[in-house]
Amino acid sequence: SQKIEQNSEALNIQEGKTATLTCNYTNYSPAYLQWYRQDPGRGPVFLLLIRENEKEKRKERLKVTFDTTLKQSLFHITASQPADSATYLCALAHEGGGADGLTFGKGTHLIIQP
Amino acid sequence: GAGVSQSPRYKVAKRGQDVALRCDPISGHVSLFWYQQALGQGPEFLTYFQNEAQLDKSGLPSDRFFAERPEGSVSTLKIQRTQQEDSAVYLCASSLARTGSYEQYFGPGTRLTVT
Repeated sequence: SQKIEQNSEALNIQEGKTATLTCNYTNYSPAYLQWYRQDPGRGPVFLLLIRENEKEKRKERLKVTFDTTLKQSLFHITASQPADSATYLCALAHEGGGADGLTFGKGTHLIIQP
Repeated sequence: GAGVSQSPRYKVAKRGQDVALRCDPISGHVSLFWYQQALGQGPEFLTYFQNEAQLDKSGLPSDRFFAERPEGSVSTLKIQRTQQEDSAVYLCASSLARTGSYEQYFGPGTRLTVT
């Protein structure tokens, strides 16, 4: 069955450092990989999308890589700030043709220490 | 502009009661998704609508769960004869299109507690 794994433990990072979150998947060949941020009591908020033929995507302090050989995506937040503390969700999607929604990992709880 | 809204935000139901959860998607969004999120878990897909057509309901956990979107806008997720295992946050998301190349916009969710 399809499986998506994210760091199950909370990740504590010192303010100003780079936070790196990992998303590994098995039994899946996604066409797209998306990252979302979720704060307590709120719905997920979209951050970045990367396609299977893209190696890297950047947006401001965020960077995502996608390695379809390793079946892994890395999500980086540079110059991290306490306001970046949240749960980050990795989500995979097939190409169109199927109506299925996103398949999410459990999420990684990131804590940025001032 | 307004985002996705859901109501109620919180719902407490006694076991065996029926509940109805409402989702107002972003205007003009063709695609609408329902997800269930248990504590400490990621959202899990329940069902998908393209306009008023329910194209995928493979994620609905039992025939007690029913969803509709009769006019291609507002959607309702109904759970009949609620059980304790139905306790979760129910998230609605809308998107411009159904493919994974489009971001999904999520509502704040409805937290359902079945006692």
